[in-house]
Amino acid sequence: DTAVSQTPKYLVTQMGNDKSIKCEQNLGHDTMYWYKQDSKKFLKIMFSYNNKELIINETVPNRFSPKSPDKAHLNLHINSLELGDSAVYFCASSLSRLAGGQLKQFFGPGTRLTVL
Amino acid sequence: DQQVKQNSPSLSVQEGRISILNCDYTNSMFDYFLWYKKYPAEGPTFLISISSIKDKNEDGRFTVFLNKSAKHLSLHIVPSQPGDSAVYFCAASEGYGQNFVFGPGTRLSVLP
Repeated sequence: DTAVSQTPKYLVTQMGNDKSIKCEQNLGHDTMYWYKQDSKKFLKIMFSYNNKELIINETVPNRFSPKSPDKAHLNLHINSLELGDSAVYFCASSLSRLAGGQLKQFFGPGTRLTVL
Repeated sequence: DQQVKQNSPSLSVQEGRISILNCDYTNSMFDYFLWYKKYPAEGPTFLISISSIKDKNEDGRFTVFLNKSAKHLSLHIVPSQPGDSAVYFCAASEGYGQNFVFGPGTRLSVLP
C-alpha cells in the first residue's frame, strides 16, 4: 500500500489555467505538507496543515491554496498558472512534535508541473 | 540566503569505502536535523535524524555527527553500497515549528 500518494504524476498546462494536485496519506499522520522543488533542485516548504489548520505559509503567492477536506488529504489548488510555477511539487506527511512524532516526514512521489 | 548548505554537489566513492556527506547551517536556532535520500522520479525518503542535545546518532550503516559550535553536520555511510547511489538532502528545523529548511542536495555515486 502506498503511504503518501499524489495525482497526477505529470501535469502539462497553459499559462493562466487553474489546476489542482491531490495528495492522500494512509499513515494516520496529523500533519501534511506541500513542497516545491525548483529548477535548482531546492526543496522549499510551501504549506503545512495540522489538524485542518494552516500553520505555515512561506511567502507563497495567494494563487496557491491548500485545501484539506480531512486529515488524510491535502490538495493544492493553483490559480492563474505562470511560467515560473513549473516545478516538481511534493506532498509529505508526519506526526507533529506535539503529538510525539520525531518529525520524520514521508514524501509522495512528486508531481511534475509544466506550464507552457 | 541559504540557511542550509551542502557545498559538494556530487561525490563518488568506491563500493565498500566510507561516504561522508557534509552539511552546514547558519541559523543557530535550528535544533533538529534530518537526512533524506532521493532516487530519481521518487520522493525523498527519511534516512536518519539527530536533535541538538546529541552529537551522534547511529542506525546501521548510517551515522550522523553534529558539531553545534561549527554549525556542521555530516552523514557517514559505512560500507558504501551501489544501492546508496542517490541524492542526499540535509534538512533542519527549529523548536516545535514544522518549518523544514532543506539543503540543495549532494549526489552520491557508489562505484562497484
